[in-house]
Amino acid sequence: ETGVTQTPRHLVMGMTNKKSLKCEQHLGHNAMYWYKQSAKKPLELMFVYNFKEQTENNSVPSRFSPECPNSSHLFLHLHTLQPEDSALYLCASSQGLAGESDTQYFGPGTRLTVL
Amino acid sequence: AQSVAQPEDQVNVAEGNPLTVKCTYSVSGNPYLFWYVQYPNRGLQFLLKYITGDNLVKGSYGFEAEFNKSQTSFHLKKPSALVSDSALYFCAVSFGGGYNKLIFGAGTRLAVHP
Repeated sequence: ETGVTQTPRHLVMGMTNKKSLKCEQHLGHNAMYWYKQSAKKPLELMFVYNFKEQTENNSVPSRFSPECPNSSHLFLHLHTLQPEDSALYLCASSQGLAGESDTQYFGPGTRLTVL
Repeated sequence: AQSVAQPEDQVNVAEGNPLTVKCTYSVSGNPYLFWYVQYPNRGLQFLLKYITGDNLVKGSYGFEAEFNKSQTSFHLKKPSALVSDSALYFCAVSFGGGYNKLIFGAGTRLAVHP
């Protein structure tokens, strides 16, 4: 798990707050991902960045705004969230070179609670 | 459409007994299949994957999985379960676009009893 780190590990925010989640990977990978894990639902892919370019936006509401300044860092900016956005947000990375057979490595997640 | 099914919400097994966690998939084209494990308050840890070749794939912590093309299954197995294996297990299938997009099953909670 130390290959992909996420901060903060826990976050409580009000619906009018603005906050950011940070992900950093130390594996030399080129692709990074954001997932949402809600109770009793499968993991949902939110965004994919490949070589810093966004290649996937899985119909995510605009109150979630990703940013990938370089291949090692990925942010998820949050604003005007709803209580149903409370979930575990997971970051992952992969080499980005082997395509579909790449292995994704996950961070520990940020547990977000929206009041 | 690509999909993954884990038919059991929970599997209970006694320590020392063999365990199986089931996964079936539906993909167009060649499947790339993965198993991950999640311990409480942790992210997902990679266990093993099938890309091509030998149908029996060996992974971390003594786990293995058998790819069965005719039954479109990729069941996770371990010959002798440990209490520490108790966790949430996810099967996933990868598909297209030149990069790795994973679709996950709903997860199966494995409980190993002493």
